[in-house]
Parts: sequence; structure tokens; C-alpha cells
Amino acid sequence: GAVVSQHPSRVICKSGTSVKIECRSLDFQATTMFWYRQFPKQSLMLMATSNEGSKATYEQGVEKDKFLINHASLTLSTLTVTSAHPEDSSFYICSANIPGQNYNEQFFGPGTRLTVL
Amino acid sequence: AQTVTQSQPEMSVQEAETVTLSCTYDTSESDYYLFWYKQPPSRQMILVIRQEAYKQQNATENRFSVNFQKAAKSFSLKISDSQLGDAAMYFCAYEGGSYIPTFGRGTSLIVHP
Repeated sequence: GAVVSQHPSRVICKSGTSVKIECRSLDFQATTMFWYRQFPKQSLMLMATSNEGSKATYEQGVEKDKFLINHASLTLSTLTVTSAHPEDSSFYICSANIPGQNYNEQFFGPGTRLTVL
Repeated sequence: AQTVTQSQPEMSVQEAETVTLSCTYDTSESDYYLFWYKQPPSRQMILVIRQEAYKQQNATENRFSVNFQKAAKSFSLKISDSQLGDAAMYFCAYEGGSYIPTFGRGTSLIVHP
């Protein structure tokens, strides 16, 4: 199956700093990628849809200026958590599907655990 | 908006036994896809099984099968001959014309040896 990677797998940062998380499709091109946030033992909360070459579409309640998404190429989307605070600590997951597939299976990255001190 | 409901926060099964995880959804669309994803302790989400709404035949993948009832908007997952490695969170997901997935809250499956 298709492979999606995320980097870093875990990051610890100080409050007020910015953190960038990368999501890469390794063996396919992804025009669309999704970013999720997951709290312990809870479901995936969709944060935004990342569109290659255009602005991301954010879900209601997600701050665009806080969670910056850039999808500059067909294999890379980045999520930058700006001025991170402890309440931003969470598990962040990205996913992508293969364009043109007749079913829309999502391929997930392994996730990034963010801890803000 | 579509919603996906998993009413069982946790389920338990003995090794080698069969367990069924429930999922219902709400939609006004006629064409869509349904999925079951597994999230083991490693947190890496992987696809277990998928079903196209236009197909009446229930999908099967080895020990995993679904009971898809389109009129009832029900999509349950049956795991036969449960194994210790099946222990994980299982998420039911819906994807329709927007191509944006909607997930249920998940069911934690515990497998007892």
C-alpha cells in the first residue's frame, strides 16, 4: 500500500515557540492531505484539508493563524503550530488518498506527539 | 452533515472467539464509502476493510467481515477467530461526495488470552 511519513515523530517545545510538522507521501502524489488532532482515547478531529497549490480549508473552530498549513508540492504538506501553548499538546496525524482511485482509502502518517511545556 | 456513531466505547472478546463492533451513520447521500480503520497501541492507523455503498454484497477480508445494511444505515464489523494482535481502537469512517472522511468516536477492543 501507499506510504505516508511524518516528521518528527515526537517533539517537545517551550511555550511560545513554533513547531513545524511535515507530512510526506513517499510513493504517490497527493493533491489533498488531511490534518487531524487526536486526544488520548478519543477520535480523530479533522483540523483542515490541505490542498496542493492553494489555501487550506479549515474546519470550524480551528484557528488559521495558529495552525498554518502549507502544501507546496504534491508530496509534502506542513503544519506549523505557531506560538504553541500547553493546550496545543496533542497527537497530530496526517492522511492522504491516491488521486483517481475508485475508492477513497486514507493512508495515514504515523503521527506526531507534540508536548508544549 | 454526515455523522458516524459508534455506541460501544469498549468491547472484550476471548481469543479465538468472534466479536461484532457496531457503527451507524447518518447521510442523505446515496453514493459513499464506508471504512473500518484499526489503530493499535503504536497509533499507526491502518485500513481493515472498506465497503462501497452501491455494492450490496458485504465486504470480507480474511477474518474480518462487515454487515452493511444501507436502509438502516448500519455498518458493523465482525472479527472472527480473534487474535491478541487484534487488540486496538477501531474507527468506523464515512466518506461521501466531499471526499472528506468523517470518523466515529472509536471502539476499544480488548482481547483476552
